[in-house]
Amino acid sequence: EAGVVQSPRYKIIEKKQPVAFWCNPISGHNTLYWYRQNLGQGPELLIRYENEEAVDDSQLPKDRFSAERLKGVDSTLKIQPAELGDSAVYLCASSPRRDTEAFFGQGTRLTVV
Amino acid sequence: GNSVTQMEGPVTLSEEAFLTINCTYTATGYPSLFWYVQYPGEGLQLLLKATKADDKGSNKGFEATYRKETTSFHLEKGSVQVSDSAVYFCALSEGGNQFYFGTGTSLTVIP
Repeated sequence: EAGVVQSPRYKIIEKKQPVAFWCNPISGHNTLYWYRQNLGQGPELLIRYENEEAVDDSQLPKDRFSAERLKGVDSTLKIQPAELGDSAVYLCASSPRRDTEAFFGQGTRLTVV
Repeated sequence: GNSVTQMEGPVTLSEEAFLTINCTYTATGYPSLFWYVQYPGEGLQLLLKATKADDKGSNKGFEATYRKETTSFHLEKGSVQVSDSAVYFCALSEGGNQFYFGTGTSLTVIP
């Protein structure tokens, strides 16, 4: 069974440029999470989807971040414009349902210069 | 609110030494508790979990017991190997709304 797939693995952009990350969750997993992991820290939730509905986006900086999950499968996370402080690893995770463990992708390491 | 506190690293052990990584939590209800491991260059992988008080999670020689009275979920392994070198994250989830992670503990095992 394929795991959670994220792309790209690495991205370097200049500040004020846009960037997008893509996530393909495990087939059949209804719950999808985007987390941000700063260096030396644990992951922190940005947004959670149940199918195609964003049910918790309270920690998403909505002035510059946006996300979508079309048809309740793949998801994209976008930053526009990027700031230096956005440099981090962006992790996507999925669960078959809310009350079980989450399966994580390898993440996208973003560097804003 | 919900939070997880785990012992700071880095931790360096010799092969076959005993490992303990402390984890305590704060939760408003009855969370599920997890240990995730992150090997160099890889994503987070579930190591073990426990869903209610007194449950013991175990996997690959690692164990952790859900202690409600001390709000703890310490990770232990009797004999570590070089291949166990990684960063270990304690986490909780209450109703699956989100996972709250500790800051991670880096473990290096030397031959």
